[in-house]
Amino acid sequence: AQSVTQPDIHITVSEGASLELRCNYSYGATPYLFWYVQSPGQGLQLLLKYFSGDTLVQGIKGFEAEFKRSQSSFNLRKPSVHWSDAAEYFCAVGAGYGQNFVFGPGTRLSVLP
Amino acid sequence: NAGVTQTPKFQVLKTGQSMTLQCAQDMNHEYMSWYRQDPGMGLRLIHYSVGAGITDQGEVPNGYNVSRSTTEDFPLRLLSAAPSQTSVYFCASSYSQGAKEKLFFGSGTQLSVL
Repeated sequence: AQSVTQPDIHITVSEGASLELRCNYSYGATPYLFWYVQSPGQGLQLLLKYFSGDTLVQGIKGFEAEFKRSQSSFNLRKPSVHWSDAAEYFCAVGAGYGQNFVFGPGTRLSVLP
Repeated sequence: NAGVTQTPKFQVLKTGQSMTLQCAQDMNHEYMSWYRQDPGMGLRLIHYSVGAGITDQGEVPNGYNVSRSTTEDFPLRLLSAAPSQTSVYFCASSYSQGAKEKLFFGSGTQLSVL
């Protein structure tokens, strides 16, 4: 069965600084990978996804993520963080048609002015 | 489009009470699901449905019941609430149950069981 870990429970960065959120997965084949963002009091919104092809994927709000098969990782990055990026971020893995997603525990991002 | 609508947004129950969390989607999605979100645990799947009349258990189904009589609605029932069911509940839907399908989420229900 697939699993997802997000090693960082809480990260604090200053506005304008770069950001990297880590995600590691466990799955026997190439998984389908997602990053979702949850703003306070809201549901989850898809930031980006990876299925195949180019291992660097671009998403909304200036986010990007890179799939590294050798490291079983799918880290989320942003070159310059804005105060509005403060939220909780979830990495998720899909195993194929007919399978349910598995979500990581989440990383809470705080942004200092 | 309204998307995925959950009601209520907040609820307080006493131990042993029952209640139903409502979820409706207007996107004609076949797949609907319920998650609970607890600190440090991420989202855990409670129950899901791949179409009207079809439901199945997820990772943490105990204490919950679901039915899917129409494509649009997927209510979650707590039969006898327990403090361990204090959580934030999310309903989510997609076109089909599949890894390439983005999930559309409702805004959540914050439930406290005293």
